[in-house]
Amino acid sequence: EAQVTQNPRYLITVTGKKLTVTCSQNMNHEYMSWYRQDPGLGLRQIYYSMNVEVTDKGDVPEGYKVSRKEKRNFPLILESPSPNQTSLYFCASSLAGTGGYEQYFGPGTRLTVT
Amino acid sequence: SQQGEEDPQALSIQEGENATMNCSYKTSINNLQWYRQNSGRGLVHLILIRSNEREKHSGRLRVTLDTSKKSSSLLITASRAADTASYFCATDGDSGYALNFGKGTSLLVTP
Repeated sequence: EAQVTQNPRYLITVTGKKLTVTCSQNMNHEYMSWYRQDPGLGLRQIYYSMNVEVTDKGDVPEGYKVSRKEKRNFPLILESPSPNQTSLYFCASSLAGTGGYEQYFGPGTRLTVT
Repeated sequence: SQQGEEDPQALSIQEGENATMNCSYKTSINNLQWYRQNSGRGLVHLILIRSNEREKHSGRLRVTLDTSKKSSSLLITASRAADTASYFCATDGDSGYALNFGKGTSLLVTP
């Protein structure tokens, strides 16, 4: 089944404790991206990757890191999480970018930073 | 940057009625997409309309695009309780790598 998976689905952590949210797709997609969703703010793009070893910042990249060492995986790293990073995070992938391509979303990761 | 703005923010209708949601955006686009999100879950792609298209249909969905007014509308005909969800429009620009979502319209369909 074609899908985007994220782990963990729920995470409660404390300020400053490094964490990684994994994202994996099995569709051989070139493009992957991360979003955060907050009430009243909608979805905002954090980072995206056009292909292996090629990443770029979205609208809200501060406090986040990403890497794309393999085509299928695009982990999101919070090296020193803060409470303002409490949010619902989504990973998405598509064949090649956003220009006219359907985005496939993962189920989401709900992160709480205390 | 947030480009699309959906209107209304919330919509409540009864089963069988039609639901219309609007999306306005600020700068020129190449494509506009609509997504559905059931509560707290991942977004699901509904339909994509290109800037040179004016209308597109998919099942009970009808999307229009007016580039002169920088607006799009999503019509769901003969709505069902299962259509209860949030609906987002998303626009892309020249880069082809950024997708800008609106804040969504929350649709409630009651039996």
